[in-house]
Amino acid sequence: DIQMTQSPSSLSASVGDTVTITCRASQTIMFWLAWYQQKSDKAPKSLIYEASSLQSGVPSRFSGSGSGRDFTLTISGLQPEDFATYYCQQYNSYPITFGQGTRLEIK
Amino acid sequence: QVTLRESGPALVRPTETLTLTCTFSGFSLSSSGLSVNWIRQRPGKALEWLALVDGIGDKFYARGLRTRLTISRDTSKNQAVLTMTNMDPMDTATYYCARTPVTGNGGGWFDPWGQGTRVTVSS
Repeated sequence: DIQMTQSPSSLSASVGDTVTITCRASQTIMFWLAWYQQKSDKAPKSLIYEASSLQSGVPSRFSGSGSGRDFTLTISGLQPEDFATYYCQQYNSYPITFGQGTRLEIK
Repeated sequence: QVTLRESGPALVRPTETLTLTCTFSGFSLSSSGLSVNWIRQRPGKALEWLALVDGIGDKFYARGLRTRLTISRDTSKNQAVLTMTNMDPMDTATYYCARTPVTGNGGGWFDPWGQGTRVTVSS
């Protein structure tokens, strides 16, 4: 199985900050990577697919980059509603796997 | 508008079989390229993909749970059903279904998701 490792596991930031979350795959996954946002006790929401394509309706302050094994999710100008947990997910090969999550907290 | 909704028992006993139903609207699971997935999240833990059924009826499973899982589709009812045998307290989780808009060789991303259904395994 492809292992997905996110870093950091948690981070604190302030409204208006720019933050970057990293996801590393245990083998190359080309650009078959998605990012999700999950707020407490809610279903995850798709943000990014194919590493850098913004899901319809998602604010442009969210961006994704990377290919191969290393990927990043950047949130530029944090808003209060962005404080949540973020997950990466690979779909290069079965079984589909997720990262362990990054909890973004307000400072 | 695409929507998905999970349904099933909130409580199951250890060793019993869990059956969950995902009822969806806004798309057909007889179209190539689309698929429906089941994903779970144990309390305080990360997301865990379980299974996928696609528009031509192919099925894929999480490696470690393969022997306990069966996914099926009913295109006439717009449903995807997941059964999990021999339930254990460790299977206590919120179970989600989600659509994959474009299914490639390794599956795809999930959008949208259902609201989830919480399942507790306890005697």
